[in-house]
Formats: sequence, C-alpha cells, structure tokens
Amino acid sequence: ETGVTQTPRHLVMGMTNKKSLKCEQHLGHNAMYWYKQSAKKPLELMFVYSLEERVENNSVPSRFSPECPNSSHLFLHLHTLQPEDSALYLCASSQAPGQSSGNTIYFGEGSWLTVV
Amino acid sequence: QKEVEQNSGPLSVPEGAIASLNCTYSDRGSQSFFWYRQYSGKSPELIMFIYSNGDKEDGRFTAQLNKASQYVSLLIRDSQPSDSATYLCAVRVGSQGNLIFGKGTKLSVKP
Repeated sequence: ETGVTQTPRHLVMGMTNKKSLKCEQHLGHNAMYWYKQSAKKPLELMFVYSLEERVENNSVPSRFSPECPNSSHLFLHLHTLQPEDSALYLCASSQAPGQSSGNTIYFGEGSWLTVV
Repeated sequence: QKEVEQNSGPLSVPEGAIASLNCTYSDRGSQSFFWYRQYSGKSPELIMFIYSNGDKEDGRFTAQLNKASQYVSLLIRDSQPSDSATYLCAVRVGSQGNLIFGKGTKLSVKP
C-alpha cells in the first residue's frame, strides 16, 4: 500500500472510447506527475503539476488531457487513443521542486491500459 | 539531451553475493541521484538517494556517487532471491529539474 493510489488498476478501451485515470495522494505533497512506462523504454514523463499549475507537458499528444483540481488529485483523460498507447501509466507525487532538497518522487501502483 | 544510461542486463548473481548495478549520466549539472526497485508488474519504489560524492549505506544497500566521472552505482550485499527485480537509476538536474530515468537493469539472484 502506498500513499499514492490510482484507479482503475486495469483498463481496456476501444480507440473511440473516452475514459479517465484517477490518482490521489495522501502524502501532503504539492507536485504531481504522470509517467508512461512502455516495454524496453525508460519511464517517460508526460505531465507535471506543481502547486496545481501545469509546469511541464513533454510533447504529449492531445488525446491525453490532464486535470489537477487540487494538490491531492490528478486525472488523465483519454480519448481516441491508439494501440501504441497501451502501457503502464504511473502517477507520482513529491514536494514541489525547489521546496526541499529531497523532492523524492513516490509512485502509485499504476494503471495498466490496453487499447484495442 | 540529458541521458541516463544503464546496462539492461539481466545481471545474474548467486544468493549471498554482492550485486553491483551501474549508471552513468550525461548532464554535469545533475545534483541528486535516486535508485528505485521495480518488481515485475509493480510500480517503482524508492530504495535510496544520494547527493554527495562518496558512499551512502542503508542496510544491505550502498549507493556510490562519483560526480567527476558522472557515475553512480548501487551495491547490494548478501543478495537474496527477493532482490530479483529491475533497478532504475534516476537523476535530477539542478534543484528544480524533473527526474530523468534510465531504462533499468534487471537483476536475477539465483538460490
């Protein structure tokens, strides 16, 4: 059990579907992240929210849309995905960069996404 | 482009041996370094972090950092089969940069 919880843990969706991934952190952090993990690739940073503002968007296609309503919750809205988007999507949280020397990132359990 | 390089393995060691995992990074502005362990089908979990040159020990784990050589390593003493996992090296450039991850090294500890 971690301080970062993600739902659903597994999701199968068609290319025309719209779905959302949800993340909640209970660690009192004020930065949240979405990462994508595909086979044989490094973890790819998708989005960063710091103090509820999006501070980074690493050239992610617009079919992925993040939402951060407050410092404890983060969503990833998915629409018209492609089969190559199938991957493990990891949410993470930390103190905002620059606020402490650690800024250690803690991951949730991940959401396994399969696009058919 | 900032890069973090790891040998993908698999690295196979016998139970009780020392496992040595290595990582190099390209950006000399990197200030903090992290090791994560990821079991198959699970998310990464933090093992330890290191900021200063030298060694940092935590139980059976020792992180070693050499900024001049842009090299960070993780030693696991008395390796156990339960240590079998993929170990991810991550580097933060500056105090406000995001973590950049390597591809990970798969470790297999044979009983």
